[in-house]
Amino acid sequence: AQSVTQPDIHITVSEGASLELRCNYSYGATPYLFWYVQSPGQGLQLLLKYFSGDTLVQGIKGFEAEFKRSQSSFNLRKPSVHWSDAAEYFCAVGAKEYGNKLVFGAGTILRVKS
Amino acid sequence: GAGVSQSPSNKVTEKGKDVELRCDPISGHTALYWYRQSLGQGLEFLIYFQGNSAPDKSGLPSDRFSAERTGGSVSTLTIQRTQQEDSAVYLCASSLADMNTQYFGPGTRLTVL
Repeated sequence: AQSVTQPDIHITVSEGASLELRCNYSYGATPYLFWYVQSPGQGLQLLLKYFSGDTLVQGIKGFEAEFKRSQSSFNLRKPSVHWSDAAEYFCAVGAKEYGNKLVFGAGTILRVKS
Repeated sequence: GAGVSQSPSNKVTEKGKDVELRCDPISGHTALYWYRQSLGQGLEFLIYFQGNSAPDKSGLPSDRFSAERTGGSVSTLTIQRTQQEDSAVYLCASSLADMNTQYFGPGTRLTVL
């Protein structure tokens, strides 16, 4: 079965510090990978995506993620966190072989200390 | 341009009543998806439309749930005889084509009393 694991439920970082949010997946097909962010009471906003090609992808708001096939990981990074980055972050995986639906991780809530 | 819109934004209903949730996808997007977000279950896929047909309904939790899409555009998710466990945020997403980036609406928060 397809699954996505975000091992950290909560993470707290100081403003200006670097950030890494972890995502591991188990998928029987070549996956497409996404990171979405959700602020309270809002829908999901796409941060970045990986379909193929260069395994380091750049997204909006200064985020990047690296696809590592050997580790089945797609970790999200940001070199310097801003207070406005406080939100919940979701990793999602899809594949044509599984009918286009996205399978989401449980989410990581990011808190930023000033 | 306009994003995915959903209505109502909030819905409070009594147990046993029927509810309809509406999704307006981004213009020109052929694929439309419904997901449910609840505290206990996280984000779960419900149903996928390509045009007006639904090739994947595997996520609908029971036969009380149904959805349709007309004119390749607007979709309605209907929940009959609502139960308290149906309380959740229902999210709609659309994409330009199969297995392309899905863009999400703001969701409808459903509360069943």
